[in-house]
Amino acid sequence: GAGVSQSPSNKVTEKGKDVELRCDPISGHTALYWYRQSLGQGLEFLIYFQGNSAPDKSGLPSDRFSAERTGGSVSTLTIQRTQQEDSAVYLCASSLRQSNEKLFFGSGTQLSVL
Amino acid sequence: DQQVKQNSPSLSVQEGRISILNCDYTNSMFDYFLWYKKYPAEGPTFLISISSIKDKNEDGRFTVFLNKSAKHLSLHIVPSQPGDSAVYFCAASPERLGTPLVFGKGTRLSVIA
Repeated sequence: GAGVSQSPSNKVTEKGKDVELRCDPISGHTALYWYRQSLGQGLEFLIYFQGNSAPDKSGLPSDRFSAERTGGSVSTLTIQRTQQEDSAVYLCASSLRQSNEKLFFGSGTQLSVL
Repeated sequence: DQQVKQNSPSLSVQEGRISILNCDYTNSMFDYFLWYKKYPAEGPTFLISISSIKDKNEDGRFTVFLNKSAKHLSLHIVPSQPGDSAVYFCAASPERLGTPLVFGKGTRLSVIA
């Protein structure tokens, strides 16, 4: 597609349930990033992929968070046993090469944990 | 420990005047700086960048200034237009490749007609 696509755009879930967020990067972009923005906060880095490997998982806030990327393209961010503090906008971005290049962001998934 | 700080959460400017958005950083390893603009319900979009070898980069109405000794950069928008109303994020990258951008908390700019 022309841009980074994220789905769903909105997700409301109950505390304790698992959620999966999907990101389709721009075709040919090898680097893929997940960020999140909580209310009133900046963009918090979660995880970064170069191809299918994740050299930097340092931003994942807990072991309830995991992500994978298959075929060097689509990525899924999974949050298990969601908590209210997980409520945020989850943003995916891709870039042509590794960091130091400008990122192209999707519109994000607004996650609300009740 | 915030490495990139935008101390003004919001800024209001009259249409046609200059908007100045400020950003400070603490990590001396940062050598590439970017500004992103975000409208509601959209992802951030790249606006302008500057490398540490420069102290100024201009693109149309947007100019970014970098003061490495002060670890400070600023974004100037002249003249400001109502369509510039958005949240502006400052971001920085360390020297080595593969390290993700570090973002500030953003400044909400409102340009009043």
